[in-house]
Amino acid sequence: EAGVVQSPRYKIIEKKQPVAFWCNPISGHNTLYWYRQNLGQGPELLIRYENEEAVDDSQLPKDRFSAERLKGVDSTLKIQPAELGDSAVYLCASSLEERGTDTQYFGPGTRLTVL
Amino acid sequence: SQKIEQNSEALNIQEGKTATLTCNYTNYSPAYLQWYRQDPGRGPVFLLLIRENEKEKRKERLKVTFDTTLKQSLFHITASQPADSATYLCALGGYNKLIFGAGTRLAVHP
Repeated sequence: EAGVVQSPRYKIIEKKQPVAFWCNPISGHNTLYWYRQNLGQGPELLIRYENEEAVDDSQLPKDRFSAERLKGVDSTLKIQPAELGDSAVYLCASSLEERGTDTQYFGPGTRLTVL
Repeated sequence: SQKIEQNSEALNIQEGKTATLTCNYTNYSPAYLQWYRQDPGRGPVFLLLIRENEKEKRKERLKVTFDTTLKQSLFHITASQPADSATYLCALGGYNKLIFGAGTRLAVHP
């Protein structure tokens, strides 16, 4: 079974430039998450999708971040414009809808460096 | 707000010994707790889940305990091996959300 696929793996941009990350979840997983992980910290949720609906985007900085999940499968996270503080690893995860649990399967992440 | 505490310092142990990692939390009543392993440059990998009504869970060399009174979970790796060296994250679950701790780095020396 293929895991969660993310691209690119690494991205270096200058501040104020736009950047986009792509994620393809495990086939059949209805729920998709985007996390940000700073160095030495745990992942922090940015947005959660149930199929194509964003059901929790309370932690997404909406002034510069946007996300979409067309057709309820793959997803794109965008930052425009990027700031120095956005340097981090952006992780995508997916899960089956199972009542009472939330076991998540993570992709390898995209390491973003903003100069 | 919720707070999760894991040992920020790395845990160094000798091969063959039991590693014990601690996860303490405050201001939260999780329905379940999960442990993940994360290797450098990779995403976290799910290891174990324990629910609030369970005291202990085992899987091969792994054991997790969950004390909702103490608000603490302990994660044990018995007969540790150098391949167990990684960062281990605990995550509190409930309300369709996982809240992750910062993780503890484990180094198992031959």
